[in-house]
Amino acid sequence: KQEVTQIPAALSVPEGENLVLNCSFTDSAIYNLQWFRQDPGKGLTSLLLIQSSQREQTSGRLNASLDKSSGRSTLYIAASQPGDSATYLCAGSETSGSRLTFGEGTQLTVNP
Amino acid sequence: NAGVTQTPKFQVLKTGQSMTLQCAQDMNHNSMYWYRQDPGMGLRLIYYSASEGTTDKGEVPNGYNVSRLNKREFSLRLESAAPSQTSVYFCASFRDRASYNSPLHFGNGTRLTVT
Repeated sequence: KQEVTQIPAALSVPEGENLVLNCSFTDSAIYNLQWFRQDPGKGLTSLLLIQSSQREQTSGRLNASLDKSSGRSTLYIAASQPGDSATYLCAGSETSGSRLTFGEGTQLTVNP
Repeated sequence: NAGVTQTPKFQVLKTGQSMTLQCAQDMNHNSMYWYRQDPGMGLRLIYYSASEGTTDKGEVPNGYNVSRLNKREFSLRLESAAPSQTSVYFCASFRDRASYNSPLHFGNGTRLTVT
């Protein structure tokens, strides 16, 4: 059974800082790894999806990496902005890909 | 383009009452999911439907039933609500059954309180 852990639970940074969010998973036979953003009172929005055959994906100021051998994924946010304040969740899939297991998320606050 | 729509947005039930949470997607997605989100527990899968006509249990199915009414709609029913079912419920959908390398799309959630 896949288990996903995110550390730290909360992070506060000044505007403009580059930052890294961490995600660990237990089953290296992962089908894919997804990063989501959740704003208060809202659902989750998919940010990046990394397939098991890939090592990273980029979208704008976001870059996500996947290292299956070490069971780790990172989400890099460049030049952070107050609008980036949200909870970021990662989710790893089981081998068939049909079911995702979520971490508990990192609550990010970017201070102006 | 509405995406995934959940109703109601908020609900308060008394212990023992029943209700159905509705979910519909307009993206022609094959797979649909119900999750619950609780502080300190993250998101946990209740039930999912990999395709129209099929449903499967997730991690925490006890106390719930589901119906995949058609390709668009996937409902979650609480037959006899308990305080432990107080949570935020999210419906989600996936485009592709053949390959699950597509992002999961979420609704905005139903906030349920059972007193």
